[in-house]
Amino acid sequence: EDQVTQSPEALRLQEGESSSLNCSYTVSGLRGLFWYRQDPGKGPEFLFTLYSAGEEKEKERLKATLTKKESFLHITAPKPEDSATYLCAVQVPGSSNTGKLIFGQGTTLQVKP
Amino acid sequence: GAVVSQHPSWVICKSGTSVKIECRSLDFQATTMFWYRQFPKQSLMLMATSNEGSKATYEQGVEKDKFLINHASLTLSTLTVTSAHPEDSSFYICSASPWDLNQPQHFGDGTRLSIL
Repeated sequence: EDQVTQSPEALRLQEGESSSLNCSYTVSGLRGLFWYRQDPGKGPEFLFTLYSAGEEKEKERLKATLTKKESFLHITAPKPEDSATYLCAVQVPGSSNTGKLIFGQGTTLQVKP
Repeated sequence: GAVVSQHPSWVICKSGTSVKIECRSLDFQATTMFWYRQFPKQSLMLMATSNEGSKATYEQGVEKDKFLINHASLTLSTLTVTSAHPEDSSFYICSASPWDLNQPQHFGDGTRLSIL
């Protein structure tokens, strides 16, 4: 069964305190791994797509990496505005040409000033 | 970036009422749209995949007759919750995907449905 697990469930950081979020996955056929940010009461906002092991993507204070079994979202010197829930999703073959996404439970990040 | 609009953002209605939620892709043609459900402090669960001009594909455990999906054009998909009951109360989110396989799914801002 395809499965995506994120850890930790919740993370509290002081402003400027760097850390990493983990996403481990077990799927039958990985077509891509996605990171999204979700603010309360909003839909997910796209951050990164990773397709192959060894790939890395960066955007401002965020950096996503991918191995054959897991992905990390590194947050460098976070700011309070980085507080949100970060969702990891893997794309697997589905009924449509674009496949479907299986989401992890998310990591809720709180950055205190 | 790509924009997906979802309407209404919030609806409260009585038990037994049917509720329609619209999902529009504003600046791209979406051959495929997805409908998700999210419970408080839980992740998104895919309910169904809809392709323009064809019947939706429902995930296991999702009632087709309860959650009617129509994808009549490349920019609009609708989800109708028929004869809604309190247990149908949830946060419903749609996403749209362009034909380009390298493009990610883009999400609407969700609809908070409360059934009294």
